[in-house]
This record gives sequence, structure tokens and C-alpha cells, in this order.
Amino acid sequence: AQSVAQPEDQVNVAEGNPLTVKCTYSVSGNPYLFWYVQYPNRGLQFLLKYITGDNLVKGSYGFEAEFNKSQTSFHLKKPSALVSDSALYFCAVRDAQGQNFVFGPGTRLSVLP
Amino acid sequence: DADVTQTPRNRITKTGKRIMLECSQTKGHDRMYWYRQDPGLGLRLIYYSFDVKDINKGEISDGYSVSRQAQAKFSLSLESAIPNQTALYFCATSDLLSVNEQFFGPGTRLTVL
Repeated sequence: AQSVAQPEDQVNVAEGNPLTVKCTYSVSGNPYLFWYVQYPNRGLQFLLKYITGDNLVKGSYGFEAEFNKSQTSFHLKKPSALVSDSALYFCAVRDAQGQNFVFGPGTRLSVLP
Repeated sequence: DADVTQTPRNRITKTGKRIMLECSQTKGHDRMYWYRQDPGLGLRLIYYSFDVKDINKGEISDGYSVSRQAQAKFSLSLESAIPNQTALYFCATSDLLSVNEQFFGPGTRLTVL
């Protein structure tokens, strides 16, 4: 069965500092990995995905994520955080044969001015 | 995302009442999903539909039912609402390709008293 873990409920960073939001996964076969962001009173918005190829994936709003197959991780990163990045972030996984997505519990990112 | 709409956006109801949440999409996607979001639990799949004649139970379908009235419409019903169904409910869509992401509606906040 597929599963996703986001080991940190909350991540606090200062504006201008780099940020990392962690995600590890378990899936049989090759994974398709996704990051979504949720702002208050909004639905989830797609940020980026890893399907195959380069392990470093670039997405919206300056975010990127690094796929590490040996560590089964897909951490979300940004070189310089903005206060407006404060939101709830979800990692999700789908296997190549899977019908559905499995979401992690979410990590709340707070960027402090 | 304006391509996926949900009504109502907020609803307060009483225990035992029947409630229907509606979802419409203009993305032309075949696949539609209903999730509920609870703090610390992420998104959990209630039901999903891959076309008008296809309905499948998700992880937490007990106490819920769905109807796929058309390709663009997917409704979620709570037959007899109970307080632990208080949550944020999201509709999502995706196309046929496993590599592609889901698109989410803005959510319905349901409170059962």
C-alpha cells in the first residue's frame, strides 16, 4: 500500500532564509510524486511533480523539490522564503499502476518577517 | 480554482439531517474525487468516479454516498449527518493520465451540531 509521511507538523523560517519541507513515501514500483499548497479558505493548488528524469524538479513560485530514490524522499525547497509562502503544504504519491493519490498529513509553514 | 466549483461553501446542520454537497467542473476531466480534510490527518478519500457509470469507495466511505449525474457533476451526500462528519470537504478532478495532477475545488466547510 502507498503511504506518505511528513515528519514535521510545523516549520518556522525567517524571511529570506532557505526553507525545506520534508516528505518521505512508500510505494511499490515507480512513484509519481506531487506537492500541493493550501492557503487559508482555499483549495489545494498544485506546485510541482516528479514523474521521471532529473531528480531536481522546479515548480511554481520559486519552489523546487529533490527526489531521492534511495531515501524514498521528496523534500520541498525554496532558496529564499517569503512571508507570503506561509501556508499548509501537502505531499502526495501515486504509483504508476495506481488509481488514486495518497496524501501526507500536511506541514504548516510559517515564514516570519 | 474556478474550473472546479463547490456548493455550498459553508453549511451548518443538525445531527440526523440529510445533506448534499455538489461539485461541478469545466475542465472536461473524466475522473472526479471527494475528500475530507481534518487537522493533522491530511486528505482522506471518500469516493471516486472515473466516468459517469463508474463509482468506487475510497478509504472512508461509511456514512456517505455519491452520485455522478454527468461528466461534469459529482455530488456527495451524508444520509444522516453526525458530529464527527464535521470537516472540510474537497472535490477534485483529474484526467486519464496517471502522471498528471489533480485540480481542487475551493472546499465546503460542513459543521454538524
